[in-house]
Amino acid sequence: EAGVAQSPRYKIIEKRQSVAFWCNPISGHATLYWYQQILGQGPKLLIQFQNNGVVDDSQLPKDRFSAERLKGVDSTLKIQPAKLEDSAVYLCASSLGGVGENIQYFGAGTRLSVL
Amino acid sequence: GNSVTQMEGPVTLSEEAFLTINCTYTATGYPSLFWYVQYPGEGLQLLLKATKADDKGSNKGFEATYRKETTSFHLEKGSVQVSDSAVYFCALSGDQAGNQFYFGTGTSLTVIP
Repeated sequence: EAGVAQSPRYKIIEKRQSVAFWCNPISGHATLYWYQQILGQGPKLLIQFQNNGVVDDSQLPKDRFSAERLKGVDSTLKIQPAKLEDSAVYLCASSLGGVGENIQYFGAGTRLSVL
Repeated sequence: GNSVTQMEGPVTLSEEAFLTINCTYTATGYPSLFWYVQYPGEGLQLLLKATKADDKGSNKGFEATYRKETTSFHLEKGSVQVSDSAVYFCALSGDQAGNQFYFGTGTSLTVIP
């Protein structure tokens, strides 16, 4: 079974530029999560989708971050414009979703450096 | 709100030593509790989980018991190996469906031969 795919693996941009990350979850997984992991910290949930609907985006900085999962499968996370403090690893995870189906499977992440 | 507090590291142990990594949580309702592990150069992966009070999760010699009375989910292993060197994250889900997910800050473990 293929795992969660993320691209790119690495990205270096200058502040005020835009960047987008892509995630393809495990086939059949209804729930998709995006996390931000700053060096030395635990992952912080940015947004959670159930199929193509948003379940939780309470910690997403909506003035600069956006995410979509239009067809309920793959998803993109965008930052526009980027700030220095956005330097982090962006993790995508998926789960089957539903009661008792809460094990998350993680992709390898995208490491973003904002200069 | 929900949160997870995890023992700070780094932790360095000799091979075959006993390991405890402390984790306490704050949550309303009926959370599920997890330990995730990140080996060097790899992504996060589930180590073990427990879904209700007094449940014990176990995997690869690691164990953790969901203690509602002390709001804890400490990770233990009786005899660590060099291959256990990794970063360990305690996490909780605010409900049984994987919503309101929170991670601790992670504890780095290094096991020396």
